[in-house]
Amino acid sequence: DAGITQSPRHKVTETGTPVTLRCHQTENHRYMYWYRQDPGHGLRLIHYSYGVKDTDKGEVSDGYSVSRSKTEDFLLTLESATSSQTSVYFCAISESDRGRKETQYFGPGTRLLVL
Amino acid sequence: AQKVTQAQTEISVVEKEDVTLDCVYETRDTTYYLFWYKQPPSGELVFLIRRNSFDEQNEISGRYSWNFQKSTSSFNFTITASQVVDSAVYFCALSANRDDKIIFGKGTRLHILP
Repeated sequence: DAGITQSPRHKVTETGTPVTLRCHQTENHRYMYWYRQDPGHGLRLIHYSYGVKDTDKGEVSDGYSVSRSKTEDFLLTLESATSSQTSVYFCAISESDRGRKETQYFGPGTRLLVL
Repeated sequence: AQKVTQAQTEISVVEKEDVTLDCVYETRDTTYYLFWYKQPPSGELVFLIRRNSFDEQNEISGRYSWNFQKSTSSFNFTITASQVVDSAVYFCALSANRDDKIIFGKGTRLHILP
């Protein structure tokens, strides 16, 4: 199994509070991704990173920000959580490089409930 | 635009039956990659297979097999002699070679009944 951990694994928070989710990898992979999974929507990309300090938006990036100051850590922040951000969040990593597409491997997920 | 369609939202079969999960994709790229992932009730996402667009050879891995047909833009997944442990949500996914992202289908929930 790829060495990916997510913390916390479960979180309950209130609307309007900031929340930060952490993804940590031990594989030294270049690419890291944040997805959310909701019933009826499958997995949707929030943000991704293609290197330290290099990030880009996915299809559902509004209300989220990310940071990557080290290869091994990718943080997802909800600046002011809303109930619509209640979801299961997955981090993924890959060694993808242009011209050679590698597989994404996923972390165990974080279940977030915004009340 | 890229798109992955898994038309079967939910399937139920009795144990030991064969079952095929359909995946139809859309892309304008000539080089692309297709994936299948499994999400069992425990919630983790497990990688099953990756196939590039230049390799149309079907693949078999134990009771699992994959049928890739560019002519119909399909990448179907068959489980032979299904078992209760195969109960899960299965996701098909697509990534164009020039893109850093993977597009996922909405998944097919498979119930294997004892």
